[in-house]
Amino acid sequence: EDQVTQSPEALRLQEGESSSLNCSYTVSGLRGLFWYRQDPGKGPEFLFTLYSAGEEKEKERLKATLTKKESFLHITAPKPEDSATYLCAVQKAAGNKLTFGGGTRVLVKP
Amino acid sequence: EAQVTQNPRYLITVTGKKLTVTCSQNMNHEYMSWYRQDPGLGLRQIYYSMNVEVTDKGDVPEGYKVSRKEKRNFPLILESPSPNQTSLYFCASSPDRDYGYTFGSGTRLTVV
Repeated sequence: EDQVTQSPEALRLQEGESSSLNCSYTVSGLRGLFWYRQDPGKGPEFLFTLYSAGEEKEKERLKATLTKKESFLHITAPKPEDSATYLCAVQKAAGNKLTFGGGTRVLVKP
Repeated sequence: EAQVTQNPRYLITVTGKKLTVTCSQNMNHEYMSWYRQDPGLGLRQIYYSMNVEVTDKGDVPEGYKVSRKEKRNFPLILESPSPNQTSLYFCASSPDRDYGYTFGSGTRLTVV
């Protein structure tokens, strides 16, 4: 059975304090790993897709990396507006199912 | 503006009363999907569609129906809602399976 586990569940950061979020997965035949951001009361917003081990993607203060068993989302010098829940999801090579992790709630205090 | 529109945003209904949550996208996307989000369980896929008249089950399809008669619309039907279907529902669309989904704003459903 496909599994996606995110850690930590919650993260409190001071503005400027860099940190990493983890997404570990077990899936037979990974096609892609997706990262989303979700603000309270809103739908998730797509950030990145990673396809192969060693791949990296960047967007502003966010950088996502992928290994064969896990992905990391690095937040560099975060600002209060980076506060959100960050979700990762995996897609298998066959079919179009997306399996999401439970998310990491990030709070960045000024 | 490119978007996925769900209606209604909030709905309170009674057990057994059939309901439909509508979803429409204006981006000409091939793929559409429905999710439910519950505390402690995260986002779970209910159904997805790869194109008109092509749909498949996600992880939690029991108690739900979908149809894709037009490319832009993907309604979610609850024939006989039960309290365990109380949840926050999201519709999403994507141009291709390798692209991230664009999500709607959500429908908060309460079944009493």
